[in-house]
Amino acid sequence: KAGVTQTPRYLIKTRGQQVTLSCSPISGHRSVSWYQQTPGQGLQFLFEYFSETQRNKGNFPGRFSGRQFSNSRSEMNVSTLELGDSALYLCASSLVKTGGGGSEQFFGPGTRLTVL
Amino acid sequence: EDQVTQSPEALRLQEGESSSLNCSYTVSGLRGLFWYRQDPGKGPEFLFTLYSAGEEKEKERLKATLTKKESFLHITAPKPEDSATYLCAVRSGYSTLTFGKGTMLRVSP
Repeated sequence: KAGVTQTPRYLIKTRGQQVTLSCSPISGHRSVSWYQQTPGQGLQFLFEYFSETQRNKGNFPGRFSGRQFSNSRSEMNVSTLELGDSALYLCASSLVKTGGGGSEQFFGPGTRLTVL
Repeated sequence: EDQVTQSPEALRLQEGESSSLNCSYTVSGLRGLFWYRQDPGKGPEFLFTLYSAGEEKEKERLKATLTKKESFLHITAPKPEDSATYLCAVRSGYSTLTFGKGTMLRVSP
């Protein structure tokens, strides 16, 4: 069974630009969560989608947004990039809605975003 | 607010030298404690889920245990390929995962 895939794997952008990252979950998984990972803050939750609806959102500014499609694939968008947005962005999928009882999340390889 | 603290931040072991990693947590109603392994430049790899105090799970040289306040990841006779960052995360209620900052383990031959 194929794992979680994320594209692109690497991105270099400049301040003020916007970026869209893509995530394809494991086949059959309907819940997708996004995380930002930096050396100083560790893994921080961005948002979670289930059946095309945002179920949870972390403490990030409105420049960070996402969506989920009917095939469970998800995208996240960051507008007006700042230097501090440089990070590894991770997508994770799980079999059921995360509040539905301890379902494990399986992570993709991440997208490394560098903002210059 | 859920909180997870992992210790130590970094651990260096000799091959074969057993040790334990700690994950202390504060949650209102634990609905799962998760251990992940992360290699540099890669996404976290799922290891274990624990649900209730007293539960234990094993996989090769790793054994995870859970009490009401903390979890331990015991590493028995580690090998260099066990070198990685080990992450602990908790879920409470209908929230998503809250991660600790991890323990970076280095095993020297």
